[in-house]
Amino acid sequence: GESVGLHLPTLSVQEGDNSIINCAYSNSASDYFIWYKQESGKGPQFIIDIRSNMDKRQGQRVTVLLNKTVKHLSLQIAATQPGDSAVYFCAERSNDYKLSFGAGTTVTVRA
Amino acid sequence: SQTIHQWPATLVQPVGSPLSLECTVEGTSNPNLYWYRQAAGRGLQLLFYSVGIGQISSEVPQNLSASRPQDRQFILSSKKLLLSDSGFYLCAWSTRVGQPQHFGDGTRLSIL
Repeated sequence: GESVGLHLPTLSVQEGDNSIINCAYSNSASDYFIWYKQESGKGPQFIIDIRSNMDKRQGQRVTVLLNKTVKHLSLQIAATQPGDSAVYFCAERSNDYKLSFGAGTTVTVRA
Repeated sequence: SQTIHQWPATLVQPVGSPLSLECTVEGTSNPNLYWYRQAAGRGLQLLFYSVGIGQISSEVPQNLSASRPQDRQFILSSKKLLLSDSGFYLCAWSTRVGQPQHFGDGTRLSIL
């Protein structure tokens, strides 16, 4: 079946640098995507979403980019802080309107 | 504002014992409700979802069941737990199917 996946399971970034987390999806009919952040022992928290009629959306220190041609989604975090250390998941809305989640990328911020 | 509560936060149960995990949502009406399981280092697997009282859809065959006795209450149950039922169980709600889902803080279930 269709699936959502992440390019790298871990990412180490220096505090203050920008982070880029990538996600590939395979369902070309997906029309809505979400990024979540999950801290240890907690549930995922909504970060930002984007619909398929957009290429880019910005939030506070975060930007999501969508490339439908290559079915690629990315999350950029500006000026990464220690509090950004977490597991990041992308999710896509499939044809039957349920969300499918990727396996997650663990981001570690070095001081 | 809307809030979601799950309890207990951690649970240790023997094999063969029953299970009941509860999830309640406050501050919204007629939410869509979801139960997920997350294995260590893995993504989220959807177990059940509900679009209304008494309406349950199961995503994967398993040893678990779900019920929605009230609009904002979602319960995950088992009559006899298996070792493979260990994991991190997350409840979530959304205003409509496919819209952002908002998660509780989960229950860590260990089966001995």
